[in-house]
Amino acid sequence: DAGVTQSPTHLIKTRGQQVTLRCSPKSGHDTVSWYQQALGQGPQFIFQYYEEEERQRGNFPDRFSGHQFPNYSSELNVNALLLGDSALYLCASSLSGRYNSPLHFGNGTRLTVT
Amino acid sequence: AQSVAQPEDQVNVAEGNPLTVKCTYSVSGNPYLFWYVQYPNRGLQFLLKYITGDNLVKGSYGFEAEFNKSQTSFHLKKPSALVSDSALYFCAVRLRQTGANNLFFGTGTRLTVIP
Repeated sequence: DAGVTQSPTHLIKTRGQQVTLRCSPKSGHDTVSWYQQALGQGPQFIFQYYEEEERQRGNFPDRFSGHQFPNYSSELNVNALLLGDSALYLCASSLSGRYNSPLHFGNGTRLTVT
Repeated sequence: AQSVAQPEDQVNVAEGNPLTVKCTYSVSGNPYLFWYVQYPNRGLQFLLKYITGDNLVKGSYGFEAEFNKSQTSFHLKKPSALVSDSALYFCAVRLRQTGANNLFFGTGTRLTVIP
């Protein structure tokens, strides 16, 4: 039973560029959330996708956007990269309606913006 | 506004001794409470959760946590620490109302178990 998988594992981009990160949820899960974990900080919620729509959003600018596909996989897009976007980006999956169940996290994508 | 506090950035404990990692929270209502562990260059792994009922919950790898409603705390504990427990630990809360499925995390506590 595959867990949450993310690609790529590492990425180096230049300020001003655009980046796309990918996530496949755990088998049986239909909801995908994205978190940003800056160095030395706890993860911060970016947004959540369910039924191919953004359902909730944290305090992140519109440069951060996403998409969910019919197979429940998801992409996180970041435009006009800033140095401050350097972080570990974590994808988490869950089953809709199971609010007392834990999220399952992938190993993350380490984004470095130079 | 919701917040989760982990007052200690670093906790050091000798192998075989009991360990405690502290967490307090400030949210509206009664949240669901979680502990996650993160090893280097890895994602977060679920340890345990409090939903309702007994204030002492048991989780993976011998960890347990004590929920204290009056003190709004959810401290992580283990009777006997192992060197392999050395990692970064995060406390998190989720609001109970429908639709609020996101987790609010603390800033993390780095646990080092000394051989």
